[in-house]
Amino acid sequence: DAGVTQSPTHLIKTRGQQVTLRCSPISGHKSVSWYQQVLGQGPQFIFQYYEKEERGRGNFPDRFSARQFPNYSSELNVNALLLGDSALYLCASSLASGGSNTGELFFGEGSRLTVL
Amino acid sequence: AQSVTQLGSHVSVSEGALVLLRCNYSSSVPPYLFWYVQYPNQGLQLLLKYTSAATLVKGINGFEAEFKKSETSFHLTKPSAHMSDAAEYFCAVGGSYIPTFGRGTSLIVHP
Repeated sequence: DAGVTQSPTHLIKTRGQQVTLRCSPISGHKSVSWYQQVLGQGPQFIFQYYEKEERGRGNFPDRFSARQFPNYSSELNVNALLLGDSALYLCASSLASGGSNTGELFFGEGSRLTVL
Repeated sequence: AQSVTQLGSHVSVSEGALVLLRCNYSSSVPPYLFWYVQYPNQGLQLLLKYTSAATLVKGINGFEAEFKKSETSFHLTKPSAHMSDAAEYFCAVGGSYIPTFGRGTSLIVHP
């Protein structure tokens, strides 16, 4: 079975531009979470979606937004890019049955964003 | 509220030596605890998890961790390090919807 897939794997943008990152969860997983991992740090939570509804939001500015589609895939959008947005963006899927989550996440390999 | 503290940003061991990576947690609810491993240019992979069953948890690649409630710790160990164990290791605490990750510990294995 396919794992979590993310695209693109690498991209370079300039300050002020906008970026869209895409994620397809493991088949049968209804929850998708997005994390930002800056070099040398642990993943920082951005969003979680379950059944197409936002279930949680981390401490990120409104320039960050996301959505989940009927097939449970997800997009993360970042507007007005800043140099500090350069990071590895990780998508993770989970079963999250019944609205609870044991926390076991299955990660994709990430999208590495460089902002110049 | 929940948080994780990983003691030591880098741990260096010789091949064949004991590996010990430290993790302390804080959680207002009974925690679920996890260790993930990240190899260069890859995503995170689950090593093992604690979900309130046995306090000693065995994971993949010979790793294990022990949940100690009195010490709020969940340290990761492996009896004998291999060169292939060199990677970044992250401890995470769940129990609510959103797992919280530590800053990570880089394991360096010398020949």
